[in-house]
Amino acid sequence: AQKITQTQPGMFVQEKEAVTLDCTYDTSDQSYGLFWYKQPSSGEMIFLIYQGSYDEQNATEGRYSLNFQKARKSANLVISASQLGDSAMYFCAMSSPQGAQKLVFGQGTRLTINP
Amino acid sequence: DAGVIQSPRHEVTEMGQEVTLRCKPISGHNSLFWYRQTMMRGLELLIYFNNNVPIDDSGMPEDRFSAKMPNASFSTLKIQPSEPRDSAVYFCASSPGGAGLIPYEQYFGPGTRLTVT
Repeated sequence: AQKITQTQPGMFVQEKEAVTLDCTYDTSDQSYGLFWYKQPSSGEMIFLIYQGSYDEQNATEGRYSLNFQKARKSANLVISASQLGDSAMYFCAMSSPQGAQKLVFGQGTRLTINP
Repeated sequence: DAGVIQSPRHEVTEMGQEVTLRCKPISGHNSLFWYRQTMMRGLELLIYFNNNVPIDDSGMPEDRFSAKMPNASFSTLKIQPSEPRDSAVYFCASSPGGAGLIPYEQYFGPGTRLTVT
């Protein structure tokens, strides 16, 4: 069965520091996709970044990068130079053929950026 | 494109009343998903449709919940009768499936905050 594990319920970081949000996954599929979504206090779900299992390079989108370690089955989100606006809930998710078209979500990590 | 549209954005109702949540997916997307989010249970998938056909409704809590997708541009989630424990934020999401630039990426609507008193 597919599973996403986010072991950090909450994190507190000083503004301008880099932060790493952990995500590990479990699947028996060889082809899969990994997603990160951000949910600010306003409630909307915002897509941040995607990594395909066959992508050789780590995905990057502006200040966001995904540290993909396939052998460890981890897909950590790295936010460089954190900003107050980065305070939000962050969800890791996975798609795979085993899951049909569904995304399996982790429980989320609440990130708080302190000034 | 306007994105996924949900209505109403907020709904307050009394226990026992029928509640209908509405969703308009992004044009051209072939999959639609209904989620429920609570503090206790996190984000739960209730049901999803592919080409207007329900594929997996294993997340629907009980018979009080029903969902329909009569055409490619509209879906409803109905709760009848509603109970206080149904209070949650309900999200609708749509996806272009494997044909999208990012395979299976889901685009979320703004959500409906439901309060049942």
